[in-house]
Amino acid sequence: KAGVTQTPRYLIKTRGQQVTLSCSPISGHRSVSWYQQTPGQGLQFLFEYFSETQRNKGNFPGRFSGRQFSNSRSEMNVSTLELGDSALYLCASIRGSGSMRGADTQYFGPGTRLTVL
Amino acid sequence: AQKVTQAQTEISVVEKEDVTLDCVYETRDTTYYLFWYKQPPSGELVFLIRRNSFDEQNEISGRYSWNFQKSTSSFNFTITASQVVDSAVYFCALSAMGKSTFGDGTTLTVKP
Repeated sequence: KAGVTQTPRYLIKTRGQQVTLSCSPISGHRSVSWYQQTPGQGLQFLFEYFSETQRNKGNFPGRFSGRQFSNSRSEMNVSTLELGDSALYLCASIRGSGSMRGADTQYFGPGTRLTVL
Repeated sequence: AQKVTQAQTEISVVEKEDVTLDCVYETRDTTYYLFWYKQPPSGELVFLIRRNSFDEQNEISGRYSWNFQKSTSSFNFTITASQVVDSAVYFCALSAMGKSTFGDGTTLTVKP
């Protein structure tokens, strides 16, 4: 069974630009979560999607948005990039309806490393 | 509010030593789930184990073992006879009511 796929793996952008990252979950998994990982802040939850609906959202500004398609693939978008947005963005695939109870295990992709210059 | 504390930022051991990674958590929820993940240099978080709040039974899987104690809100992870390939960052995580919180991670270096 293929794992979680994230594209692109590496990305370099300049301040003010926008970026779209893609995540394809494990086949049969219906929920996707996104995380930002930085040396200073660690792993921070961005949002979670199930059945094309955002179920939970972390404490990030509105510049960070996401969506999920009917095939469970998900994208996240960051507009008006800032230097502080440089990070590893991780996507996690969840088999069930999401982490509403926290029961489901999250399986992570390799991440997209975003560098903002 | 949820909180996960991994007090050990970095640990360095010599191959074949045993090492324990500490994890202390805080939550007001009575139903919650605890996880350990390993993040090798490649960056991908690898799932190691999941425990629910009602199951305090310790678990052993090969060289890995986990000690869950609700009384002290701890979920510690021990690697027996460590190997160089165990070098990675290890994260403890807590999940409850739609929120997942990760600790800051412990960087384990196993020297040959």
